[in-house]
Amino acid sequence: SQQGEEDPQALSIQEGENATMNCSYKTSINNLQWYRQNSGRGLVHLILIRSNEREKHSGRLRVTLDTSKKSSSLLITASRAADTASYFCGGGSNYKLTFGKGTLLTVNP
Amino acid sequence: DADVTQTPRNRITKTGKRIMLECSQTKGHDRMYWYRQDPGLGLRLIYYSFDVKDINKGEISDGYSVSRQAQAKFSLSLESAIPNQTALYFCATSDLRGDHQETQYFGPGTRLLVL
Repeated sequence: SQQGEEDPQALSIQEGENATMNCSYKTSINNLQWYRQNSGRGLVHLILIRSNEREKHSGRLRVTLDTSKKSSSLLITASRAADTASYFCGGGSNYKLTFGKGTLLTVNP
Repeated sequence: DADVTQTPRNRITKTGKRIMLECSQTKGHDRMYWYRQDPGLGLRLIYYSFDVKDINKGEISDGYSVSRQAQAKFSLSLESAIPNQTALYFCATSDLRGDHQETQYFGPGTRLLVL
């Protein structure tokens, strides 16, 4: 079963706009990670937030974690066409990850 | 990640055939993982290994087996392939040491079609 469920399944925005993706998870986690996948390629790690953290930033990425609601959000600011990809959240526990189904982000130039 | 390689990159096989997908890494990581990805279902863990002598079943291990031949090599076998094993397969690694133990590094994937 999927640990994370991303929302929305697909998101289309214009270049320069912000993109927000949400993730809900089911069981206890030690950390929540976000990965990016370009079409047909392997996943690339973007950012990790630990269960005792509430917010984390990395460049144009901002991740929040609400353990009481078992949810996380990924914000990409000032999006670029090159940000077009699928984004997956993964709940981490005991050095394993359980992934959601992903959000397909399309950034239109 | 170029340090994690998978062979073959694409494979077409027939129902009932035995096939092996191979994964090699030059990252020196102890932990290795096999996932499959199906459209609309995300990635699901098939098997994982935390060192050469430690092999564990993941979420969907039925119909698959693995071999950890060395720290750097982790192979996935389909003993008798069936059409619903058609998917994109990914190998991943993670480091036992350091500050990024939970981060996984993925190979480029193997696209498998079972006819």
